[in-house]
Order: sequence, then structure tokens, then C-alpha cells
Amino acid sequence: NAGVTQTPKFQVLKTGQSMTLQCAQDMNHNSMYWYRQDPGMGLRLIYYSASEGTTDKGEVPNGYNVSRLNKREFSLRLESAAPSQTSVYFCASSDLVSGLRTYEQYFGPGTRLTVT
Amino acid sequence: GENVEQHPSTLSVQEGDSAVIKCTYSDSASNYFPWYKQELGKGPQLIIDIRSNVGEKKDQRIAVTLNKTAKHFSLHITETQPEDSAVYFCAASIKAAGNKLTFGGGTRVLVKP
Repeated sequence: NAGVTQTPKFQVLKTGQSMTLQCAQDMNHNSMYWYRQDPGMGLRLIYYSASEGTTDKGEVPNGYNVSRLNKREFSLRLESAAPSQTSVYFCASSDLVSGLRTYEQYFGPGTRLTVT
Repeated sequence: GENVEQHPSTLSVQEGDSAVIKCTYSDSASNYFPWYKQELGKGPQLIIDIRSNVGEKKDQRIAVTLNKTAKHFSLHITETQPEDSAVYFCAASIKAAGNKLTFGGGTRVLVKP
């Protein structure tokens, strides 16, 4: 199992450009999340998808859109990138496992995005 | 919404000593408290978690304690080793509300040989 994969690993954008960050998981999880990580601020939730077909805003959704393409894939789109969106972006997935009742979120390796 | 504060932001310990990281949370409805370890260039990885019906949990050299009344929880690492050097994050969530995690700001731990 690859777990949670993210593409690309690195990206540099100019202000106003758009791009989509891709995330996929092979653990058959229902829930998926997008976080951003900035120095000294931990990780902050941008959007999440509790199950296929649903998405909801997190703590910092402005400037982003998401698509839950299917159970495996959850993408994050920046329509018009701004320097304030320079950050490391992490995708995660989780599920309740019957019997084990685990809530662990599994994280991908991250995408380092710079907006100039 | 939930607010999680984590202290200290950096911690330097001698190999073999103990390390303690403390977190406080604001929402009394939070009932799941994981700790994540993040190594350079990688995503966070769960190392231990505790649920609100438990006061303490241990896993080898790592232990977590939870005080629901005071709304704080702590990570204890004993007999630290150089490979414990990393950034550690605490988090809190309400499992019935989609398990959305609110993270603390992180603690950079350096274990000196």
C-alpha cells in the first residue's frame, strides 16, 4: 500500500496563476482532509470531505476550492494564487475501523508551494 | 471554535533525559487527543493518542496524560534518543464532528548526544 500520495512535491507559481494539488489514498478511507502548514502555526484545516460526495469548509477555506472526485481522490484548487498561499500543503485520510475504533489520520508527504 | 496551545516551542534535552510537552485546549466537547511526530521533509505521523475516557496511556518510552477538568494534556518521552529529534504536534478533535483536528503550534525537540 502506498498510503496517501500527493502530487506535485514542489511548485512555484506567479501571483494570479491557478493550479490543482492532487491527493489519492489506497486505504479505502471515507474521510479526507486538506491542511496547510506555516512556520509556528502548526497545521490548519482548509477543507475536508467526510465521505464521497460531501465537502465542508475548515478553518481557512478562503482562496481554495476542493473536489472529491471519488472515494480515493481529493483535490485542492487555487484559482488565483496569492503570496499568502505560500505554504506546505498536506492531504490526510481517516476512517472509523469497526472493532478497533481508530480515528488516526494518515498524512501524505506534502506539497511545497511558493507563490511569487 | 477549538483553540490548542502548545508549549514549549523548542526543547533541547541531553540523550537519556526526559522530554515533556504540554498542550491546552479550549473546547470542552473535544474527546480525541492525538500526538504527531514530523521529521524533516515528511508528513506528520501519529505516535500516540488518548480518548477522553482515559487519563493516561503508555507505549514503550512514550506516555500521554489527560486532565479533562483543566483541559490540558501532555506528552512524556523518557530515555530520549537522537532519533527522537523532530517536531511534535498535539491536536484535539470532536470525533462526532467529522474528526477535524485542531493542531497546536508544534515543538521542535533536539536530543543532544
